[in-house]
Amino acid sequence: AQSVAQPEDQVNVAEGNPLTVKCTYSVSGNPYLFWYVQYPNRGLQFLLKYITGDNLVKGSYGFEAEFNKSQTSFHLKKPSALVSDSALYFCAVRDWGGGSQGNLIFGKGTKLSVKP
Amino acid sequence: DTEVTQTPKHLVMGMTNKKSLKCEQHMGHRAMYWYKQKAKKPPELMFVYSYEKLSINESVPSRFSPECPNSSLLNLHLHALQPEDSALYLCASSQEGGLGNQPQHFGDGTRLSIL
Repeated sequence: AQSVAQPEDQVNVAEGNPLTVKCTYSVSGNPYLFWYVQYPNRGLQFLLKYITGDNLVKGSYGFEAEFNKSQTSFHLKKPSALVSDSALYFCAVRDWGGGSQGNLIFGKGTKLSVKP
Repeated sequence: DTEVTQTPKHLVMGMTNKKSLKCEQHMGHRAMYWYKQKAKKPPELMFVYSYEKLSINESVPSRFSPECPNSSLLNLHLHALQPEDSALYLCASSQEGGLGNQPQHFGDGTRLSIL
């Protein structure tokens, strides 16, 4: 079965410090991986994706993610956190299961809190 | 601003009412989705339309009825809902359904409260 795990319910970071939001996956086919961010009272906003190629993927708002096939991980990173980065972050993987037609499987979400 | 527009933003309805949620996109996307999201939880897929045809119904109760009038519009008709149906309903679209590698683009949702 396809799955994605976000082991941390919440990550706390001081403004200006680097941040990492963790994600691990389990898929039977090629892992198409996505990160989304959700601000309060908003929908999900696409940040970045990994399909193939370079393991370091750069996305919106200064975020990047590193694909690690041996560790089946796709951690989201940012060198210097901003208070405005505080939000709920979802990792997702494309579902290759029969009948799913490639829909997304979401992790449970990680709340990022950046303090001044 | 999101490129997927959902109306209304908020909706309060009684259990006997009939109402509809609307979603519109003009990005030329051929796949459209309805999700239900409870507070601080990930979105749960309800329906998928691919090229204006319903391709996935994730065992959603019949009190939710989707409709795709054309490639830009997606509706969700609501009837006789239960209090547990109170949630944020998100619409999304993508360039293609199925095995594509393109991201889904989400609207800001309709926050639905059932009295």
